[in-house]
Amino acid sequence: KAGVTQTPRYLIKTRGQQVTLSCSPISGHRSVSWYQQTPGQGLQFLFEYFSETQRNKGNFPGRFSGRQFSNSRSEMNVSTLELGDSALYLCASSLSGTSIDTQYFGPGTRLTVL
Amino acid sequence: EDQVTQSPEALRLQEGESSSLNCSYTVSGLRGLFWYRQDPGKGPEFLFTLYSAGEEKEKERLKATLTKKESFLHITAPKPEDSATYLCAVQAGGDSNYQLIWGAGTKLIIKP
Repeated sequence: KAGVTQTPRYLIKTRGQQVTLSCSPISGHRSVSWYQQTPGQGLQFLFEYFSETQRNKGNFPGRFSGRQFSNSRSEMNVSTLELGDSALYLCASSLSGTSIDTQYFGPGTRLTVL
Repeated sequence: EDQVTQSPEALRLQEGESSSLNCSYTVSGLRGLFWYRQDPGKGPEFLFTLYSAGEEKEKERLKATLTKKESFLHITAPKPEDSATYLCAVQAGGDSNYQLIWGAGTKLIIKP
């Protein structure tokens, strides 16, 4: 069974630009969560999607948005990039995101904002 | 407030020197505790899920245990390839909406 895939793996953008990251969950998984990871802050929860609906949201500004498609693939978008947005963006999928459900992570997208 | 604390922040061991990593938590209604391993620049890799106090799970040189207030990840006779950051996360009940609460991780370095 294929794992979680994320594209692209690396991105370099400049301040003010926008970026879209993609995540394909494990087949059969319907919940997708997004995290931002930086050396100083650790894993910070962005949002979670289930059945094309945002079910949970972390404490990030509105510049961060996401969506989920009917095949459970998910995208996240960051508009008006800032230097502080440089981070490893991780996507995790789980069967339903309810009860005690293990999250499986993708390799991440390394975003560098210049 | 729900909280997960990992200690130590970093741990350097000689190859073969056993030790333990700690994950203490204060949450309302524990549903499950997860251990992950993360190599630099990669996504976390799932290791274990523990559900109730007294439970233990093992995988190769790793053994995870759970009490009502904390979990330990015991590493027996570690090898250099065990070097990684180990992350602990807790799924709480109540109004958590099943979200995971993450610790900051313990960076483990095994010297040959």
